[in-house]
Amino acid sequence: EVQVMESGGGLVKPGGSLRLSCVASGFTFNSYPMTWVRQAPGKGLEWIASITSTTGQTYYTDSVKGRFTISRDNAQNSLFLQMDSLSAEDTALYYCARSQTTGEILNWGQGTLVTVSS
Amino acid sequence: QSVLTQPPSLSAAPGQKVTVSCSGSNSNIGSNYVSWYQQLPGTAPKLLIYDNYKRPSGIPDRFSGSKSGTSATLDITGLQTGDEADYYCGTWDTSLGVVVFGGGTKLTVL
Repeated sequence: EVQVMESGGGLVKPGGSLRLSCVASGFTFNSYPMTWVRQAPGKGLEWIASITSTTGQTYYTDSVKGRFTISRDNAQNSLFLQMDSLSAEDTALYYCARSQTTGEILNWGQGTLVTVSS
Repeated sequence: QSVLTQPPSLSAAPGQKVTVSCSGSNSNIGSNYVSWYQQLPGTAPKLLIYDNYKRPSGIPDRFSGSKSGTSATLDITGLQTGDEADYYCGTWDTSLGVVVFGGGTKLTVL
């Protein structure tokens, strides 16, 4: 069974940093791109970043470019999201997801909540 | 403002059919595969349809997808109360270089 599990969310002050982690199991991790998607409270889905399976090429939505960094450790079946210069607009539930090169999100974690507030 | 446009809400009676629409442009729906996701209340989204019309294993054939030009649709037949959820379309946008989602459609089964 495919499983992805996020951790690392919490309360952080504006301008602060947080590092999210995601551990995956049930599939060949280094064969799939991985993705982070977030959902602000009461709002829709927002794709924020993806990373390819082996070359580690990264893609970001404009609102997080230069502030967030997606990375992966294929040996540890792990995905990461380093988030810097956080603002209230980054408050959301952050989902880790197995994805396809064509963009489909195949499997979603349960999410980890990030709250940016003073 | 989402790149893909969906109706904010739809409602229908149990047993009926509902169609969720998703409108985009040549740079997204017009040139890439469309996926659909179901998000039941308080849960994570789940893949319902991929590659425009394919269903992952375990998804009942009451759910079907199609695409024509720059629009896509999700049909749900034989509606059940358990189908009450938010439904999102998504695809790659070649011009923006990002995955884009619709704003979501809240389905109420009356």
